This record gives sequence, C-alpha cells and structure tokens, in this order.
Amino acid sequence: DAGITQSPRHKVTETGTPVTLRCHQTENHRYMYWYRQDPGHGLRLIHYSYGVKDTDKGEVSDGYSVSRSKTEDFLLTLESATSSQTSVYFCAISDRPTGLSEAFFGQGTRLTVV
Amino acid sequence: KQEVTQIPAALSVPEGENLVLNCSFTDSAIYNLQWFRQDPGKGLTSLLLIQSSQREQTSGRLNASLDKSSGRSTLYIAASQPGDSATYLCAVWGGSEKLVFGKGTKLTVNP
Repeated sequence: DAGITQSPRHKVTETGTPVTLRCHQTENHRYMYWYRQDPGHGLRLIHYSYGVKDTDKGEVSDGYSVSRSKTEDFLLTLESATSSQTSVYFCAISDRPTGLSEAFFGQGTRLTVV
Repeated sequence: KQEVTQIPAALSVPEGENLVLNCSFTDSAIYNLQWFRQDPGKGLTSLLLIQSSQREQTSGRLNASLDKSSGRSTLYIAASQPGDSATYLCAVWGGSEKLVFGKGTKLTVNP
C-alpha cells in the first residue's frame, strides 16, 4: 500500500469553526489531491498540488483552501465549516500528472459539521 | 465535459460466478482509465490502470479491457468470492488534473 496517512480519521465540528485536515505521504510523489465523496455525487476534486507551494483549484473548491509547504504534507482547510461540507474527504497522490499515472488514495477523513 | 457511467449500480451473484462490471465515458480523449475497489468505510484501493494505448490489463482474477473509440471499459472478475464484495469504481482523466469517477457498482458475492 502507498504510504498515505490522513488525520484525523473522524471529526465532528460546529458550524462556523475552522477545520484543517492533513494528508501525509512517504512516497515522495509530486502530485497530491483532495477529493470529497458524497452520496449521489461520487468523488469530486477540491484542490490539488503539483509541487511545494504550487496548488490549484478543482471543481468544488469554494469554501476550501490548501497549503503545501513540504513535499510530504498537503493540508486542507475549511475556513468556516458549513453543514454542506459534511462529507468524507480523501487525499490522493501520484508521481506524474493525473492522466499519465496511477493515483493512490488514503483511508479518508469522515467530517461531520453540526 | 467528461462523464462516467457505471452499470449496474448494484449486482448480487453467487460465489464462483464469473462477472462483468461496465464503465462508459463520454469523451474518448483519455490518457488512462483506472479501476478501484472501495470497502465500506474505507479508502480506495487501486486495482488496475489501463493506459490509452493498451486494450487490457490483468491482475490475478481481474481483467480490465478498454475500448477508447466506443468509450467503454469492462472489469471481468473470474470465479468470484465473498471477499470480492465491495464497491467498484472506474475513473478517467477529466482534464485539469482531475479524475472523473463513476458512481460505482456495489457487488455482493453470496456464499
């Protein structure tokens, strides 16, 4: 299994509070991604990174920000959590751009916003 | 815009049966197609990656085929076992570093 660790694995938070999810990889892969998985929508890309300090938006980026200060860590921040951000969040990594390489996923973080 | 469809949404078979899961995509301009397995409450496990220049890939009892021109891929599982019960997802490149996923086929293999 690819060395990807997501933390926390579960979190319950209140509406309006900031939340940060962490993805840590030991594979030294350049590309890292955050997806969310919701019933009826499948998995959707939030943000991605193509290198340290290089990030870009995905299709559902509103309300989220990311940072990557080291190759191994990719942080996803919900600045002010809303109930619509209740979801399961997955981090993924690959060593080449998405279309050219296999993607490996972490175990997910289940976030509940109450 | 790339869209991925998986049919059927759910499938229940007796143990030992050979089965086929289907995946179709609307834009044939893909670089690769990837099949994943997801167990309840777990992450995604990569099963097979088929490059656009390939027509099939095999891993153990799994065989995935790709027909870019028709926008279709199939995942063939031979001699199914209860441990194969999971949701199977296919995904293709959707541009801008995005994997576009189907909604999955939930497979149940009954002992």
